[in-house]
This record gives sequence, structure tokens and C-alpha cells, in this order.
Amino acid sequence: AQSVAQPEDQVNVAEGNPLTVKCTYSVSGNPYLFWYVQYPNRGLQFLLKYITGDNLVKGSYGFEAEFNKSQTSFHLKKPSALVSDSALYFCAVGNQAGTALIFGKGTTLSVSS
Amino acid sequence: GAVVSQHPSRVICKSGTSVKIECRSLDFQATTMFWYRQFPKQSLMLMATSNEGSKATYEQGVEKDKFLINHASLTLSTLTVTSAHPEDSSFYICSARESATYGYTFGSGTRLTVV
Repeated sequence: AQSVAQPEDQVNVAEGNPLTVKCTYSVSGNPYLFWYVQYPNRGLQFLLKYITGDNLVKGSYGFEAEFNKSQTSFHLKKPSALVSDSALYFCAVGNQAGTALIFGKGTTLSVSS
Repeated sequence: GAVVSQHPSRVICKSGTSVKIECRSLDFQATTMFWYRQFPKQSLMLMATSNEGSKATYEQGVEKDKFLINHASLTLSTLTVTSAHPEDSSFYICSARESATYGYTFGSGTRLTVV
């Protein structure tokens, strides 16, 4: 069975500082990994995905994530946080069969000015 | 990029009535769509997988007679909440998978309030 863990309920950073939102996964076979962001009462916006290839994935709005197979991790990072990055972030795992994404519990990112 | 349109964005209905939520893929064909439910400040819980031209597959614990799913075309899936009760109040989100890109695009969600 597939599963995703986001160990932090909330991450607080100051504007301009780097941010990291953690995600670990468990899946049989090759993982398809995703990051989405959600603003209040809105759907999910796609940030980036890892299917294959380079372990460092660059995505939207300056976000990037590194796929680490040995640590089964896919942490989301950004070199310099903005107040507007404050939102709820979800890590999700899928597979080649195209079944539904399974989501982590979400991490609230709060960026202070 | 791929766009999924979900309507309505908000709906308030009386207890005992039915509500239909539509999910359309605007610029790609989606043989498979997914319906999720989200409680405040919680994760997305998969309710069902909707396959074009066939019956939906429901997750354990989801009442198929209460949450009717129809996927009659490659671009439209609907979720009907029948005989709604206040405990059905929630945020419902659909998703469509684009085979070519391995991408999953989400609708903007529907806030259902049953009074």
C-alpha cells in the first residue's frame, strides 16, 4: 500500500529565509511524487512532480524538491520565502498505473514579514 | 496547461434534498477522474474513482447510494449527493488524470453546506 507522511503540522519561517517542508513516502515500485499548494477554500494548485530522471525537480513559483530514494524522501524547498507562500502544502504519491493520488496530512506554512 | 472546471463553487441546500456537482476537463480527455472530500484543515480523503463508461469504484466506508457518480463522457464526471444531511457538509474536490503527462489536475472545489 502507498502512504505519505508529512511530519510537521506547521512550519514557520521569516520572509527571505529558506524554507523546507518535509515529506517521506512508502510505495512498492517506482514512486510518482507530487507537491500541491492549497489556499483557503480553493482547490489544489500543482507545484511540481517527480516521475523519473533528475533527482532535483524545479517547479512553479521558485519551489524545488529533491527525490532521495535511500531516505524515501521528497522534501519541498525554496531558497527565499515570501509572505504570499503562506498556505497549506500537500505531498502526494501515485504510481504508473494511474490510480488516485494518496495525500499526506498537509503542512501549514506560515511566512512572517 | 490542463484545466479542470468544477461547479458550483458553493452550494447551500436543505436537508433531504440532492445536490449535483460537475467536474469537467476543459482541454484534455480524462478517462479517469477522482472525487475527494476534505474536512477543515485536514487532508483529502479519496471517495471514489470514476471511469468513463463504467461504474465508479468507491473507497471503503463511502456509501455508493448516497454519493452517486456518473462519468458519461471523456470530459465530464458528476457527483450527486442524495438526501443530503448536515453531516454531508464538506469541501468536495475532483481531479482528472492526464495520461500523456502523468499529471493530476484538480478542480477548484465545491463547498457544500446542508442546513
